[in-house]
Amino acid sequence: QKEVEQNSGPLSVPEGAIASLNCTYSDRVSQSFFWYRQYSGKSPELIMSIYSNGDKEDGRFTAQLNKASQYVSLLIRDSQPSDSATYLCAVMPAGGTSYGKLTFGQGTILTVHP
Amino acid sequence: NAGVMQNPRHLVRRRGQEARLRCSPVKGHSHVYWYRQLPEEGLKFMVYLQKENIIDESGMPKERFSAEFPKEGPSILRIQQVVRGDSAAYFCASSSNSGTRVYEQYFGPGTRLTVT
Repeated sequence: QKEVEQNSGPLSVPEGAIASLNCTYSDRVSQSFFWYRQYSGKSPELIMSIYSNGDKEDGRFTAQLNKASQYVSLLIRDSQPSDSATYLCAVMPAGGTSYGKLTFGQGTILTVHP
Repeated sequence: NAGVMQNPRHLVRRRGQEARLRCSPVKGHSHVYWYRQLPEEGLKFMVYLQKENIIDESGMPKERFSAEFPKEGPSILRIQQVVRGDSAAYFCASSSNSGTRVYEQYFGPGTRLTVT
């Protein structure tokens, strides 16, 4: 089982729709969770961080975390063509020797078509 | 307010040469991380450094790779005797020293290494 798994893509949604991206992780002691966006040929850009169970909203983005189910998701409301990118889920453990080490999922390619 | 800076952006080396990749963190950040992204693969952690200390190098290949973050100057990722399999994008990230933002890592533009 992969440490961080994302729903297989690619995901295609029409402009204005809600895009839903999912991620599960295997390490129960994980404490910090992040969503990055990566455009083709560019570097990852941090768009959301979440540390507690529940929802966290920032503009059109909502991150949801359920530690009991080891599940984190990202919702993008009113999707725009400029949201077309690869979305990376990343997980960091609570501490110990692996603190600071981000483990990434393989990414989900999102395409928003006009 | 400059972000993470990396240079060179593109680097071409012949097999057997050395590659030196540089990273200057966001001003005020003292935590630096290196990641590698191989073609068609995900981002993989390599090493985590603070000033003059290697905190976690569990992702570094055992041979030919080394990293440092001196008291003064940029962090350096050094690859000796490069092979074609080292061709990849190498990203540096940095994070703050305090509060919850110590967990948030901001990435530089990357160095794309091509070994011919």
